[in-house]
Amino acid sequence: GAVVSQHPSRVICKSGTSVKIECRSLDFQATTMFWYRQFPKQSLMLMATSNEGSKATYEQGVEKDKFLINHASLTLSTLTVTSAHPEDSSFYICSARAQAYRRDRGIYGYTFGSGTRLTVV
Amino acid sequence: QKEVEQNSGPLSVPEGAIASLNCTYSDRGSQSFFWYRQYSGKSPELIMFIYSNGDKEDGRFTAQLNKASQYVSLLIRDSQPSDSATYLCAVRGYSTLTFGKGTMLLVSP
Repeated sequence: GAVVSQHPSRVICKSGTSVKIECRSLDFQATTMFWYRQFPKQSLMLMATSNEGSKATYEQGVEKDKFLINHASLTLSTLTVTSAHPEDSSFYICSARAQAYRRDRGIYGYTFGSGTRLTVV
Repeated sequence: QKEVEQNSGPLSVPEGAIASLNCTYSDRGSQSFFWYRQYSGKSPELIMFIYSNGDKEDGRFTAQLNKASQYVSLLIRDSQPSDSATYLCAVRGYSTLTFGKGTMLLVSP
């Protein structure tokens, strides 16, 4: 089936520094990638949608200058948390949508990365 | 605003029983519906998806969809302790998924 690789799985950084999270689709081309954030005991909240080669679309309340998203190729999207603060500590998860629905390959359209646990101290 | 509602639980069932998880959604234009399982500290993993009204079975799992009632459910037969997790209902509109808060399922041995 479709695999999305997300790195790092866990990162601890100091307040004020920036952190980059990578999301790669390994065996399919992802035209669209989604970035979610999940606080403890909460649901996944969509932060932004990125399409290859164009600017990301951010959800209401998400600061685009703080959460920089780059989707330079069909297999790679990155999320950079700039000037991180303790309140940015969360579980960040990417999700990729395949270019085409290929049921015989188990690609149902949405595949999640393994997530990144960010702790800002 | 699109909403997906789930009972937060926990839903406790004994091993071998049927677990029934429910979800309602507000957007009548929703096109497809997904059930994900999420273990603590892990990313969600897809269990099933359903597009059409009725039932869809896959092993021990059955998804049920009733678009008129804007209701989707997941039945887990012969529940196992390893099924203990949070189950997320997700609804797709045009291109994005909207998630419910999830229902915690606890299967006791």
